[in-house]
Amino acid sequence: DSGVTQTPKHLITATGQRVTLRCSPRSGDLSVYWYQQSLDQGLQFLIQYYNGEERAKGNILERFSAQQFPDLHSELNLSSLELGDSALYFCASSIKTSGGTNEQFFGPGTRLTVL
Amino acid sequence: AQKITQTQPGMFVQEKEAVTLDCTYDTSDPSYGLFWYKQPSSGEMIFLIYQGSYDQQNATEGRYSLNFQKARKSANLVISASQLGDSAMYFCAMREGQYSNAGGTSYGKLTFGQGTILTVHP
Repeated sequence: DSGVTQTPKHLITATGQRVTLRCSPRSGDLSVYWYQQSLDQGLQFLIQYYNGEERAKGNILERFSAQQFPDLHSELNLSSLELGDSALYFCASSIKTSGGTNEQFFGPGTRLTVL
Repeated sequence: AQKITQTQPGMFVQEKEAVTLDCTYDTSDPSYGLFWYKQPSSGEMIFLIYQGSYDQQNATEGRYSLNFQKARKSANLVISASQLGDSAMYFCAMREGQYSNAGGTSYGKLTFGQGTILTVHP
């Protein structure tokens, strides 16, 4: 158990709909990262938050947005869903220190299926 | 251009044997970190081992070791004494920029390779 929690574990929805994925980082971790894993694109970085502020953006579609709340949990909102958005969405967290490994600990993922 | 390349889509190994999973990377940043993650069929991502670009020695974690050849830009994972439970997808990843600055910026996204499926035979 990495200490990162994600809900829901599975999500099945229809095209055009909107969903919200939730992530709670490990206790003490200030950075939250979102990744998308799909068969054709592999594992891709979407967006990063640090202590409530957006810090980096990757290949995130305009239909997707995210935020990190004061209690450090994060939500990824996916709207106007398309079939190609079906993927495993991971949240990861890491701690900020002055050096060291700072590995990212991954949550179990949310498997999104768009029908 | 691919930043992380894993050229072996699939590898097979006999139980108790050692296996090497290849990873090459491309960066112009002198400060970077290399990671290996394991993804079993259940889907979770499990951190295995880390190598920093300034580390003098190759990283080791139990049965995992990282064969880091900086000049060749390779960071191969060696799994010794393979077990049936090692059967999984393995990802190599790179984080560019190893340290934060005084402004407290992030430690950076991970860029992943395409992965290698390892199958351990009894």
